Amino acid sequence: GESVGLHLPTLSVQEGDNSIINCAYSNSASDYFIWYKQESGKGPQFIIDIRSNMDKRQGQRVTVLLNKTVKHLSLQIAATQPGDSAVYFCAENSGGSNYKLTFGKGTLLTVNP
Amino acid sequence: GAGVSQSPSNKVTEKGKDVELRCDPISGHTALYWYRQSLGQGLEFLIYFQGNSAPDKSGLPSDRFSAERTGGSVSTLTIQRTQQEDSAVYLCASSLVAASTKNIQYFGAGTRLSVL
Repeated sequence: GESVGLHLPTLSVQEGDNSIINCAYSNSASDYFIWYKQESGKGPQFIIDIRSNMDKRQGQRVTVLLNKTVKHLSLQIAATQPGDSAVYFCAENSGGSNYKLTFGKGTLLTVNP
Repeated sequence: GAGVSQSPSNKVTEKGKDVELRCDPISGHTALYWYRQSLGQGLEFLIYFQGNSAPDKSGLPSDRFSAERTGGSVSTLTIQRTQQEDSAVYLCASSLVAASTKNIQYFGAGTRLSVL
C-alpha cells in the first residue's frame, strides 16, 4: 500500500548548523502534510503544516518545503539547538482524508554541542 | 484542560489480563484518535471518533481491541486478554474538527503498556 517514508533514519548535526530532514510520500491524493517532533517519553508535538497548494511555508526557525512533482517533503531547521534533538515525523492526510493521518517511521535528530 | 491527558502513563500487566486506557481530549475538540506506537516505529492508526460515534475502526488489530467515547469527551481504549505483542505506547490525539482539510491533531504523552 501507499505510505509515507523517510530517506534518513538518523541525522547528527553540530549546534548552530542548519538541519534538513527529508520525507517521501507516495499517495498523490494526499493534500495536507504535517511535521511533528517527538521527544523521549512525550507525545508528538505539532511543528508546522502545509497544504498541497503551497510549495513553502515558514515558521519560527523552521521551513517546510513541498515538491509535489517528486512527492517529497522536507523540514529545515535553522540554527539547530540541543533542544531540537528529537524524533521528527512527517504525516500526510491519507489520500486526502479529512481525518486519517499516515505517519512515516521518523528521523532521529541529534544535536551535538 | 490545557492539553490531551492520558492515564495511566505506564501500565504493566500479565498476559491474558484486560486493560483500560483513558484519554481526556482538549476541551471543545470534537474529534478524537487512538494510535499505537511500537518501539522505534511510526504511529499506527487505530480508531477515530467524531463526537461519540466511531466512523472508522479499521485500524483496530483484532476483536480484542475496543474503544468507546461518552459525552463527546473522555475515551477509553480496552484491550481484552492482552498478549505480549500488544506491548507498545498507546497515543491519543484530538482535533477541533475532523471535516476539514486542515486537521492538526494534538497528542497526549501516551500510555506505555507492557505485557509480561
